[in-house]
Amino acid sequence: GAVVSQHPSRVICKSGTSVKIECRSLDFQATTMFWYRQFPKQSLMLMATSNEGSKATYEQGVEKDKFLINHASLTLSTLTVTSAHPEDSSFYICSAREWGDTGELFFGEGSRLTVL
Amino acid sequence: GNSVTQMEGPVTLSEEAFLTINCTYTATGYPSLFWYVQYPGEGLQLLLKATKADDKGSNKGFEATYRKETTSFHLEKGSVQVSDSAVYFCAVHGGSARQLTFGSGTQLTVLP
Repeated sequence: GAVVSQHPSRVICKSGTSVKIECRSLDFQATTMFWYRQFPKQSLMLMATSNEGSKATYEQGVEKDKFLINHASLTLSTLTVTSAHPEDSSFYICSAREWGDTGELFFGEGSRLTVL
Repeated sequence: GNSVTQMEGPVTLSEEAFLTINCTYTATGYPSLFWYVQYPGEGLQLLLKATKADDKGSNKGFEATYRKETTSFHLEKGSVQVSDSAVYFCAVHGGSARQLTFGSGTQLTVLP
C-alpha cells in the first residue's frame, strides 16, 4: 500500500525555539494532507488540512501563527511549531490521501515532540 | 457533522480470549467505516474497513461488519494474542465531512 513517511520521529527542543516536522508521501501524489495531534490516552485531534499550493485550513481553536503548515509540493507537507512551549509537547501525526479522494488515509509514523 | 462513539477502555484480556470493541456512529449519507490500530510508539495503521452496508472487513483475525440499521461497526477477534496489545480507533468517513472522524480509542492489553 501507499507509504507516508514522517521525520523526525522524535525531537527534543528548548522552550522558545521552533521545530519543523516533515511529512512525505513516498509513492503517490497527495493533493491533501492532514495534521493531527494526539494527547496521551486520547484520540486524534485534527489540527489542519494542508492543501498543495494553497493555504492550510485550520480547525477551530488551532493557532495558525503557532502551527505553520506548508504544502509546497504534491509529496511534501511541513508543520512548524513556532516558539514552542512545554504545553506543545505531544505526538503529531500526518496523513495523506491519494489523488482521487478514495477515502482511505495513509498515516505517517508520527513525531513525538518534547519541549523542555 | 459525523461522530463516533467507541467503547471506553482500557480492556485487559488473557491470551486466547474473545474480543469485542463496540463502535457506533452518526453520519449522513453512506459513510465508509474503518478500524485503525496504533501499536506502542508507532503511528496509525489501517486494520480493516467496510464501504457499504453489510460489508464485513477482516484482517489479521479481526472482523467488523457494517450494520446500517444499528449504525454500528463492532470489532471482534475470536482469540487475541499478546501482540494484539495496542490502541484501537474506530473511524467514519463520508457524508458531509471530508476528513475522517475518529472515536476516542480503546486501549487493549492482552496478558500471557
